[in-house]
Amino acid sequence: DVKVTQSSRYLVKRTGEKVFLECVQDMDHENMFWYRQDPGLGLRLIYFSYDVKMKEKGDIPEGYSVSREKKERFSLILESASTNQTSMYLCASSSNQVGSNEKLFFGSGTQLSVL
Amino acid sequence: QQQVKQSPQSLIVQKGGIPIINCAYENTAFDYFPWYQQFPGKGPALLIAIRPDVSEKKEGRFTISFNKSAKQFSLHIMDSQPGDSATYFCAASMKTSYDKVIFGPGTSLSVIP
Repeated sequence: DVKVTQSSRYLVKRTGEKVFLECVQDMDHENMFWYRQDPGLGLRLIYFSYDVKMKEKGDIPEGYSVSREKKERFSLILESASTNQTSMYLCASSSNQVGSNEKLFFGSGTQLSVL
Repeated sequence: QQQVKQSPQSLIVQKGGIPIINCAYENTAFDYFPWYQQFPGKGPALLIAIRPDVSEKKEGRFTISFNKSAKQFSLHIMDSQPGDSATYFCAASMKTSYDKVIFGPGTSLSVIP
């Protein structure tokens, strides 16, 4: 089974801190994604990557950046955390193989609280 | 045009009932409609999906009904069980970027014994 592992389940940070959220997948997937999940808003795409060192903005990239130095690892960075970034953050991956590229595999999420 | 609408926001049914979750979209370029199921403390997982060339797809107790002309689709759970209690997200994507998925806001389902 595909495993997408997020480094922290819960994280509490202070306003202005630099925050790193780490995600690792073990299925050699080409594509990786960061979403945030908020009640009543569903999942919104922050950034995604189709290849190492490649990144694309999603629907809500403001206040975030990402890093993909290795195929299996995709990091989300909050340069200066703000209270409106308190949310559940979900990492996902998918394969480029025809017939498999529609399915997203999600990690268990990181609940970030910014005080 | 990119939005996927979903209702109801929450739903409580008795065991054995048939909860129905409805979704609607505007962009006719969407051609893949998955449903994801999320249990508390877990990430969403793909439950079932449909393409617009069929009007219904069934997998076990879960059925998607699709109405292309109305741009609506719905999830039905037959003989619902307490273990089906979860948040359900409908979603839509396009052939040009299947993995760039637009999610609905979610429905919290509780199945009471």
